[in-house]
Amino acid sequence: DTGVSQDPRHKITKRGQNVTFRCDPISEHNRLYWYRQTLGQGPEFLTYFQNEAQLEKSRLLSDRFSAERPKGSFSTLEIQRTEQGDSAMYLCASSLSGHRASPLHFGNGTRLTVT
Amino acid sequence: DAKTTQPTSMDCAEGRAANLPCNHSTISGNEYVYWYRQIHSQGPQYIIHGLKNNETNEMASLIITEDRKSSTLILPHATLRDTAVYYCIAYYDKVIFGPGTSLSVIP
Repeated sequence: DTGVSQDPRHKITKRGQNVTFRCDPISEHNRLYWYRQTLGQGPEFLTYFQNEAQLEKSRLLSDRFSAERPKGSFSTLEIQRTEQGDSAMYLCASSLSGHRASPLHFGNGTRLTVT
Repeated sequence: DAKTTQPTSMDCAEGRAANLPCNHSTISGNEYVYWYRQIHSQGPQYIIHGLKNNETNEMASLIITEDRKSSTLILPHATLRDTAVYYCIAYYDKVIFGPGTSLSVIP
């Protein structure tokens, strides 16, 4: 168990550019979650997958955000036409579905700065 | 998912027990109470969870009231490394975080 890994750890981009983040969950975990966190706030739910199926997407999530999990393993989160308000920590977590007592395991996040 | 309420911040003397309360009065029967903590610049870390019964592990104890409307996380001997934001969550399908309690352990 190598834990949840996220890449890159830090990303600085200019407004209007597209960015993509990657998350590798714990290998046997079939659920994968994306969260966004800004300074002083708790993590905000964005979306989650069970295997390759995207089960829910936050209504607060702009159409500029898209997430995929093509083979039910790693996931990518893309932000198109970034805005300064997108600057945040983007967290990924994984868990086992069907196990109500299965906790989420988080990565250490990707910190995005939009200049 | 049930909404939880926690104090914004708390202090605790090093070596003493830290008792962090959480209200979840709208919790439904199939929702578990989970606790996570987050140390600056890291992802949230799972601490403990329970449904009805009190639970204990190597990190903490969780006391859930009989009506399940509130719970308390107990760190028996707080250390400086326990300084973090602690999140109480009632969940069934996905984890929704509130602002949590910022715990400061004071030397």
